[in-house]
Amino acid sequence: GIQVEQSPPDLILQEGANSTLRCNFSDSVNNLQWFHQNPWGQLINLFYIPSGTKQNGRLSATTVATERYSLLYISSSQTTDSGVYFCAVAITGNQFYFGTGTSLTVIP
Amino acid sequence: DGGITQSPKYLFRKEGQNVTLSCEQNLNHDAMYWYRQDPGQGLRLIYYSQIVNDFQKGDIAEGYSVSREKKESFPLTVTSAQKNPTAFYLCASTRSGNTEAFFGQGTRLTVV
Repeated sequence: GIQVEQSPPDLILQEGANSTLRCNFSDSVNNLQWFHQNPWGQLINLFYIPSGTKQNGRLSATTVATERYSLLYISSSQTTDSGVYFCAVAITGNQFYFGTGTSLTVIP
Repeated sequence: DGGITQSPKYLFRKEGQNVTLSCEQNLNHDAMYWYRQDPGQGLRLIYYSQIVNDFQKGDIAEGYSVSREKKESFPLTVTSAQKNPTAFYLCASTRSGNTEAFFGQGTRLTVV
């Protein structure tokens, strides 16, 4: 199956700092999503972004499908941004392959 | 409110017992999915169903079974053949085609 690598695996930020999370994948994909998993385990949809750039408040994402990577930008981080961020990709349909995530801790 | 409901939230099972996890959606989505998450790991696909009365195995289907008798419901049975069933189980749904997936809140299964 497709390999999905996320970096960095762990990230500690001071509140107010900016960060970039990266997702590399080993094959062409037709579907890509970013999720935030909260401490209770729920997966919250951040972006559906198989290509291009999107922004939602302090978060934005860019996928360059031809180069097989996606980036998630978090600006002016807040303690509520803490949690694990997952990238998920699908080659056909919506059967997603997940990376192992980036664990983000934002300290006051 | 539209969404995906998983129950129960926590489940304890004795070794050798089968147990069924419930997943219901009222989003009118065609496709439904079951994923498993182990500590510190990403999600892995167990089974998926694109239409009623049809389903396919994912990457880790051994020891699990599913049914899809109604569009809204996709229950997962963890059988005694699953060697290491303790995990967090997440159900998802999508419309047909290449679309966004939405997840339920998960069921945490522990074998005691």
